[in-house]
Amino acid sequence: DAKTTQPPSMDCAEGRAANLPCNHSTISGNEYVYWYRQIHSQGPQYIIHGLKNNETNEMASLIITEDRKSSTLILPHATLRDTAVYYCIVSPGYNQGGKLIFGQGTELSVKP
Amino acid sequence: EPEVTQTPSHQVTQMGQEVILRCVPISNHLYFYWYRQILGQKVEFLVSFYNNEISEKSEIFDDQFSVERPDGSNFTLKIRSTKLEDSAMYFCASRGQGVQPQHFGDGTRLSIL
Repeated sequence: DAKTTQPPSMDCAEGRAANLPCNHSTISGNEYVYWYRQIHSQGPQYIIHGLKNNETNEMASLIITEDRKSSTLILPHATLRDTAVYYCIVSPGYNQGGKLIFGQGTELSVKP
Repeated sequence: EPEVTQTPSHQVTQMGQEVILRCVPISNHLYFYWYRQILGQKVEFLVSFYNNEISEKSEIFDDQFSVERPDGSNFTLKIRSTKLEDSAMYFCASRGQGVQPQHFGDGTRLSIL
């Protein structure tokens, strides 16, 4: 089973920031937080990952709480093309297998 | 930007037939994966592959399934004696050394008739 909990759905107005929460209260010290999204039935698309520090790239920002039990993915200016299912996944970073366990994710709808 | 490519995009096969799904991972990646997604359900891990051997497999990955890296570029998933319940999207993924994310292909839609 997935080790994360996410709300099943969220709405966001186009142009506004989308803040997607994730709880991972049982995260281990060597586990990273990964965020992916899936648009329709396309392959999951990598967004961002982090261990304990906040991270930012061209797609999004990742805010991880100090106790690492939860995180928030921020899309600063959501567009209609950001409508997708967003998955928060915890996984060891250096593990030889490194499988990803997907939950149901959050279905984000960006509305005009 | 380099990407994972999968062929074919759609495969229709009669029940009981063998099928091979093909993937070309990103060229300098060392870890390879197969996942599947039955329509309307979660993405499920099938198998991971490193250093020319399976490193982990799920309960789904039974004797019906096998993986192979026949040359330096391709990574294949073979399903023997397909069943109706094998109908799904199959995604290949690869990642590089260290703390690198997995990158996914756009999948092969497998339809078993």
